[in-house]
Amino acid sequence: EVQLVESGGGLEQPGRSLRLSCTGSGFTFGDFDVTWVRQTPGKGLEWVGFIRRKAHGGTTEFAASVKDRFTISRDDSKSTAYLQMNSLKTEDTAIYHCSRAGGYGPAEWGQGTLVTVSS
Amino acid sequence: DIQMTQSPSSLSASVGDRVTITCRASQGIRNDLGWYQQKPGKAPKRLIYTASNLQSGVPSRFSGSGSGTEFTLTINSLQPEDFATYYCLQHNSYPWTFGQGTKVDIK
Repeated sequence: EVQLVESGGGLEQPGRSLRLSCTGSGFTFGDFDVTWVRQTPGKGLEWVGFIRRKAHGGTTEFAASVKDRFTISRDDSKSTAYLQMNSLKTEDTAIYHCSRAGGYGPAEWGQGTLVTVSS
Repeated sequence: DIQMTQSPSSLSASVGDRVTITCRASQGIRNDLGWYQQKPGKAPKRLIYTASNLQSGVPSRFSGSGSGTEFTLTINSLQPEDFATYYCLQHNSYPWTFGQGTKVDIK
């Protein structure tokens, strides 16, 4: 069974940093791209960023709202992708989901981890 | 950026009803669109990929159609477990963008 589990969320102050992890199981992690999406409590979904599988260059894409503050990396030996969030803002408060994507967009998703940015 | 306009934002329906949700893209996205169902406190679940292909394990009462800029998700014979929020997502070009969501509740 394909599973994705996010971790690393919590309460952090504006301007600080936080790193989220996304660990996959039930599939060969390195064969897939990974997407991060966030959801403000009670509101809709916002795409955050994307990392390609190493066979496709391992490169990343980001939403304008997080570009230059967030980075994504992956360690396929650990079946894990990371979302490094720097210079956090209150508007980054959300539930962050990761998903695996083949050639047809995001498929399976994790339950998410809550990030709260507040002083 | 490609804007995805989803309608309606909410609807009330009864078990057994046929429900139609529409997404309109601000520019052509071929068939690079998925439909997702989300229940409170749960992860989104993909129902349809590439506009019209049913995800494995998803009941056949769900169907998708469209290409280019107009897309439709249809639920035939709505079941109690289908009351949820539905989103479309375009992955044709970055940034990927979601529709605003359609909440389907019980009439």
